[in-house]
Amino acid sequence: GENVEQHPSTLSVQEGDSAVIKCTYSDSASNYFPWYKQELGKRPQLIIDIRSNVGEKKDQRIAVTLNKTAKHFSLHITETQPEDSAVYFCAASIRLASGGSYIPTFGRGTSLIVHP
Amino acid sequence: GAVVSQHPSWVICKSGTSVKIECRSLDFQATTMFWYRQFPKQSLMLMATSNEGSKATYEQGVEKDKFLINHASLTLSTLTVTSAHPEDSSFYICSASQGGGYTFGSGTRLTVV
Repeated sequence: GENVEQHPSTLSVQEGDSAVIKCTYSDSASNYFPWYKQELGKRPQLIIDIRSNVGEKKDQRIAVTLNKTAKHFSLHITETQPEDSAVYFCAASIRLASGGSYIPTFGRGTSLIVHP
Repeated sequence: GAVVSQHPSWVICKSGTSVKIECRSLDFQATTMFWYRQFPKQSLMLMATSNEGSKATYEQGVEKDKFLINHASLTLSTLTVTSAHPEDSSFYICSASQGGGYTFGSGTRLTVV
């Protein structure tokens, strides 16, 4: 099955700096890569996603890049703010069939701490 | 956007009793829902895939007789933790897929005493 590796497990930055979280996956059939932000005791919230036919996607301070050949994808957060502090999870998934549901495999998570 | 409602948000039960957790898709039909377990400071561990109208698909190492999953309709899946023990204490969270992405429920904090 799919195996997703996520690094680093903890990332500490100063407010205003950039933060980068990297994930690798093993199954070349994976075609959808979402990123989730989870605050303590709350549900994961989708912050950005990318599909396998796109190499990069940006939404304000957040961007995701995908390298299908190397099977890795990264989350980039620029101008970090204290409210960005949370656990971030990457995921890789395979679409079961046309219109079918995805089966996601999650990375182990990265605890991002942004110091004011 | 897609909304998934999960109840209860927390529950405390005695060892040996059973607990039912509900997951509802409020504004869309979900033929497939996923159930996860999350330990403190750890990732989401997929327990099972719940399929509407058929048996759930359990991940390796998850006891199907202990974690009963029922997906009787396109908007409701339930997870019943049977004969709960303290080691079953955890954060349980469901998710449903729509249009390729997934939306998570708010999670249930189960404490077995």
